[in-house]
Amino acid sequence: DIQMTQFPSTLSASIGDRVTITCRASQNILTYLAWYQHKPGKAPHLLIYKASTLEIGVPTRFSGSGSGTEFTLTISSLQPDDFATYYCQQYSSYSPYTFGQGTKLEI
Amino acid sequence: QLQLQESGSGLVKPSQTLSLTCSVSGGSIISNGAYSWGWIRQSPGKGLEWIGYIYYSGSTYYNPSLKNRVTMSVDTSKNQFSLNLSSVTAADTAIYYCARDRSSGYWVYWGQGTLVTVSS
Repeated sequence: DIQMTQFPSTLSASIGDRVTITCRASQNILTYLAWYQHKPGKAPHLLIYKASTLEIGVPTRFSGSGSGTEFTLTISSLQPDDFATYYCQQYSSYSPYTFGQGTKLEI
Repeated sequence: QLQLQESGSGLVKPSQTLSLTCSVSGGSIISNGAYSWGWIRQSPGKGLEWIGYIYYSGSTYYNPSLKNRVTMSVDTSKNQFSLNLSSVTAADTAIYYCARDRSSGYWVYWGQGTLVTVSS
């Protein structure tokens, strides 16, 4: 199985900050990577797919980059609604889909 | 707008079978044969774990770590798909989500999730 290592596990930040979350795959997954935002009691929400394609309706302050084994999610200017847990997920063929451990973004 | 809603038993005894159904509204489960309908869970204090998915044709793909205990099915007449997980233990206590992808493996539509507790 492809292991996804996400860091940091917790990130403290303030409104207006620029933050970056990193996700590392144990094998080359090309750009088969998605990012989700998850708030307690709610369903996860797709932010980015194919490593850097913004899902419709997602604010442009979110961006993704990377390919192969190293990926990043960047929030350019944190807003109050952004405090949540973020997960990466690889969906490479011939492997069970796997998620990172999550990054809790807190004030 | 497509909506998914999980339903089923919230409390299951150890060694028994967990059964959940996902009802789909706002669209047909057979609208596109390339879409997969999946199950993902989150154990208390832990991250997300993909369980498996099914196509409306009935083809299935399961996480190898759960493969021996998982069965998924689809009922196109009711616009629903289901999950059965046998021989459950406390480790299967989790919030279970149903979801649909965009034919590529990332999950676009999600249910709100349902908590299943395994306890005697």
